[in-house]
Amino acid sequence: GAVVSQHPSWVICKSGTSVKIECRSLDFQATTMFWYRQFPKQSLMLMATSNEGSKATYEQGVEKDKFLINHASLTLSTLTVTSAHPEDSSFYICSAKPDRPYSNQPQHFGDGTRLSIL
Amino acid sequence: KQEVTQIPAALSVPEGENLVLNCSFTDSAIYNLQWFRQDPGKGLTSLLLIQSSQREQTSGRLNASLDKSSGRSTLYIAASQPGDSATYLCAVTQGGSEKLVFGKGMKLTVNP
Repeated sequence: GAVVSQHPSWVICKSGTSVKIECRSLDFQATTMFWYRQFPKQSLMLMATSNEGSKATYEQGVEKDKFLINHASLTLSTLTVTSAHPEDSSFYICSAKPDRPYSNQPQHFGDGTRLSIL
Repeated sequence: KQEVTQIPAALSVPEGENLVLNCSFTDSAIYNLQWFRQDPGKGLTSLLLIQSSQREQTSGRLNASLDKSSGRSTLYIAASQPGDSATYLCAVTQGGSEKLVFGKGMKLTVNP
């Protein structure tokens, strides 16, 4: 089955640090990937849509300069939380939408990254 | 703006019960609806996907129904087991977009 690998699974760092999270589709190509954020007891909220070879599309209220997204290949998207602060502590999850010939499949999700900023 | 609601937020039942999980959405113009399972500290596992033209989907002990006009979906779990304990999320997409709008989820605990 389609697998999405997300790394790291858990990060603890000091305030002001920049943190990079990777999302890889292991056995399929994905022109489009998605980044979600989930606060405790809340819904997953879409932060941005990552498009290979072009700029990401950010949802309203998400700071593009704070959450840098790079989708340099058909199997890798990265999210960098720049100058992270305690309020950025959350659970970040990526998903990948398979390209053809598997485009009829739904998005496949990574296992998430727990980010804790001290 | 589409809003997805799941009530109740939590449910605790003894093993063996048949369960019905509810999901409602405010805008009936959806493209599809998915039910996911999320284990603590983990990502999402897709359980069932229902296209807007479909009424239901089945997989093993799971059955999901969709009534688009009334903005409702139900996930039916037959003969619940402790291994079914998890948070169940409902999400919808709307035409032309892959964006998923999620409910807050329902935390299910099945007691042995």
